[in-house]
Amino acid sequence: SAVISQKPSRDICQRGTSLTIQCQVDSQVTMMFWYRQQPGQSLTLIATANQGSEATYESGFVIDKFPISRPNLTFSTLTVSNMSPEDSSIYLCSVEPRLARAKTQYFGPGTRLLVL
Amino acid sequence: KNQVEQSPQSLIILEGKNCTLQCNYTVSPFSNLRWYKQDTGRGPVSLTIMTFSENTKSNGRYTATLDADTKQSSLHITASQLSDSASYICVVSAETGRRALTFGSGTRLQVQP
Repeated sequence: SAVISQKPSRDICQRGTSLTIQCQVDSQVTMMFWYRQQPGQSLTLIATANQGSEATYESGFVIDKFPISRPNLTFSTLTVSNMSPEDSSIYLCSVEPRLARAKTQYFGPGTRLLVL
Repeated sequence: KNQVEQSPQSLIILEGKNCTLQCNYTVSPFSNLRWYKQDTGRGPVSLTIMTFSENTKSNGRYTATLDADTKQSSLHITASQLSDSASYICVVSAETGRRALTFGSGTRLQVQP
């Protein structure tokens, strides 16, 4: 398994500002994923972050809005840029451990973001 | 298009009762199916994971079944407790190079005393 922590756990931000969310894992992982979960909805994949390469973004998400860093095998950040109230969501980091069987993914506790 | 549908959307049961949640999927090629429990304001936590050859798997009071022929899965909760109140999400993984996961919209379960 993998233990994942996220910072901050929650934040209230003003529109037009940016917030960087950190994801720390207790072991080295190849694949890290960032998800968004809007109120009452299920999870939507934003991007996949691999160490040493640019993140791969899903349809509807762009790097200018959600820049991602992956400096090493245990850490990643997601920035929500130029925020609007529509960005109010829970943002979740997920990892797939290197030795995971059957493509097991583990999720962080999430960052609850409210944009006013 | 890969899809995962869950039913019911929401469910209220009394403490101590059993319940069954349903999941139908059209994901192909199928790799595995997992059930997650998500408490309000928290990240999902894995309950079970099943591959093509497995048709039942238990985790304490949680028992998941998989029928790969009909592409259906169920999660049965026995002797429910107040702490079972959460959203239960069915997630199906496709056997592709990008490790694609398709998430169901979840069933919100409320256990009342």
